[in-house]
Amino acid sequence: DQQVKQNSPSLSVQEGRISILNCDYTNSMFDYFLWYKKYPAEGPTFLISISSIKDKNEDGRFTVFLNKSAKHLSLHIVPSQPGDSAVYFCAAIPNSGYALNFGKGTSLLVTP
Amino acid sequence: EADIYQTPRYLVIGTGKKITLECSQTMGHDKMYWYQQDPGMELHLIHYSYGVNSTEKGDLSSESTVSRIRTEHFPLTLESARPSHTSQYLCASSKDRGYNEQFFGPGTRLTVL
Repeated sequence: DQQVKQNSPSLSVQEGRISILNCDYTNSMFDYFLWYKKYPAEGPTFLISISSIKDKNEDGRFTVFLNKSAKHLSLHIVPSQPGDSAVYFCAAIPNSGYALNFGKGTSLLVTP
Repeated sequence: EADIYQTPRYLVIGTGKKITLECSQTMGHDKMYWYQQDPGMELHLIHYSYGVNSTEKGDLSSESTVSRIRTEHFPLTLESARPSHTSQYLCASSKDRGYNEQFFGPGTRLTVL
């Protein structure tokens, strides 16, 4: 039973615009959330994280928003660049856990 | 910068062969993990280790086995490969469980004919 869901398999955005990637979760025990970026033939690379005690975390062009009541988080990339084209995975972990629970990923394409 | 290595990067092998996928990290992390990922799907944890001589099975059942004799080394073995084992295998490590990000290796793409 999938506990982390990324319902958009793909997203296309023009360079310079905002990219918004969404993620929903079902397990209320999750209290730490991470975004990973993955290029083909490479392993996932950590991008940004957020704890459940926060509703926003920002790092340069990347901002993650967490809405606990809706069990929803989103990753905003502003401005989007062609090098951002990759698959983005949302992951979550409960406070007593050891394993990251991943979504299926969203493939982002940033066009010039 | 993460320093975690996996070999081989790609492996094509016949049914029934024994294979070992290597994973090493130079960050001194105690925690190491093996994930399996099929194309277009989420990553699933198949094994993890909290330290030397500690190994546990993950959430996804796997016929593979692991060992942790040294902190930096966490190999995964399939005694008899089958086509159903065809997948990408990703090794990761972290300083601690939970609230520290896991660093991933580049993965091994395994194809069993």
